[in-house]
Amino acid sequence: AQKVTQAQTEISVVEKEDVTLDCVYETRDTTYYLFWYKQPPSGELVFLIRRNSFDEQNEISGRYSWNFQKSTSSFNFTITASQVVDSAVYFCALSGGDYKLSFGAGTTVTVRA
Amino acid sequence: NAGVTQTPKFQVLKTGQSMTLQCAQDMNHEYMSWYRQDPGMGLRLIHYSVGAGITDQGEVPNGYNVSRSTTEDFPLRLLSAAPSQTSVYFCASSYSLGQDEKLFFGSGTQLSVL
Repeated sequence: AQKVTQAQTEISVVEKEDVTLDCVYETRDTTYYLFWYKQPPSGELVFLIRRNSFDEQNEISGRYSWNFQKSTSSFNFTITASQVVDSAVYFCALSGGDYKLSFGAGTTVTVRA
Repeated sequence: NAGVTQTPKFQVLKTGQSMTLQCAQDMNHEYMSWYRQDPGMGLRLIHYSVGAGITDQGEVPNGYNVSRSTTEDFPLRLLSAAPSQTSVYFCASSYSLGQDEKLFFGSGTQLSVL
C-alpha cells in the first residue's frame, strides 16, 4: 500500500515570503512517480511537476522549486517570493506500479497582500 | 480540443435516488479515472479504466459503478445515493498507461445528497 502525507494543513504568508510545502511518502515499489498538483480557488486541478524515483535532481521552474530526497522519502515544494496568485490548495501525489495515483490531503496556502 | 468534460457541474439528490455523472475526453486517452474530493482527505480514487472494456476498483469503490464502452466516455453511476456520497467528483484522463503520465482533470461535479 502506498501513502502520501502532507502534514501542513494550512500555511499563511505575506506576499514575497518564501513558503515550503512538505510531502512525505510511503511505498514498497522500487519504481514510482511523484507529482505536485495545484488547485486554485476556481477549483480546477493543475499539474505542476512529476519526478520518477530514479531522478533525485532538484528542479527549479521560475519561482517554484522541488527537493526530492529518497533517503527521507520526501518531495518538498518551495515557492519563492510568494504572490497572491499562489493562493491555492497544493496536492502531492504518488503513483506506483498499479495505475493508482494516491494523493495527500493537501496544503492550503494563503498569500496575503 | 475540449479536454476532459464533466457534466453536470452541480447536482442535488435525495437519498436513494440514482444518477450518472458523465465524463468525456477528446484526447484519445487510454487511461481514465474518477476521484472524489472531501475536506481534509485529498482526492481518493473511486474507479479507473485502462482502456475500453476494462475497469477496476480504486480506494473507495463502494456505492459506485462504472463502465467503459468507448475510449472517449467513462460515466460514473450512483445506484442509490447516500449522504456520505456528498462530495466533489473529478474525472481525469492520461495519454498512456504509464504511471509517469500526468493526469488531465475535468472541472468537477459538486454533488449534494440530502
